[in-house]
Amino acid sequence: EAQVTQNPRYLITVTGKKLTVTCSQNMNHEYMSWYRQDPGLGLRQIYYSMNVEVTDKGDVPEGYKVSRKEKRNFPLILESPSPNQTSLYFCASSLAGGLDTQYFGPGTRLTVL
Amino acid sequence: AQSVAQPEDQVNVAEGNPLTVKCTYSVSGNPYLFWYVQYPNRGLQFLLKYITGDNLVKGSYGFEAEFNKSQTSFHLKKPSALVSDSALYFCAVRGYYGNNRLAFGKGNQVVVIP
Repeated sequence: EAQVTQNPRYLITVTGKKLTVTCSQNMNHEYMSWYRQDPGLGLRQIYYSMNVEVTDKGDVPEGYKVSRKEKRNFPLILESPSPNQTSLYFCASSLAGGLDTQYFGPGTRLTVL
Repeated sequence: AQSVAQPEDQVNVAEGNPLTVKCTYSVSGNPYLFWYVQYPNRGLQFLLKYITGDNLVKGSYGFEAEFNKSQTSFHLKKPSALVSDSALYFCAVRGYYGNNRLAFGKGNQVVVIP
């Protein structure tokens, strides 16, 4: 089954404790992206990647890092999480770039205390 | 930079009545427009998109949207709403020029009343 998977689905952590949210897709998509969803703000793009070793900032990249060492994986790294990063995070992938349909993962609900 | 406005927080409609969810956009050059739907506790699912061609776009689950360049709008419509259409709907836009970033609106909660 074609899908985007994210782990963990739920995470409660404390300020300053480094964490990684994994994202993997099995559709051989070139484009991958991370979004955060907050009430009243909709989805905001954090980072995106056009292909392996090619990443770029979205609208809200501060406090996040990403890497794209393999085509299928696009982990989101929070080096020193803060409470304002409490949010619902979605990973998405598409065949190639912003014109193609994006397929979204199920989401990761992160709480930073 | 591209942006999307979805002016209504919530749209209430009786089952069987027409459903409209409004979206206006701002972008440099020609727009590429999308609608996604989010059911409770799920990720977003693609409904339809406008890239070029016919201004009326048909999508999944009986939804359609009309691109209006002069009004910079891309409203989502369904002739007869179902209770199962109750969900959060997002409009998104990408501009022809520049980066591959997709800008989403804040979303509209649709409530279909039996």
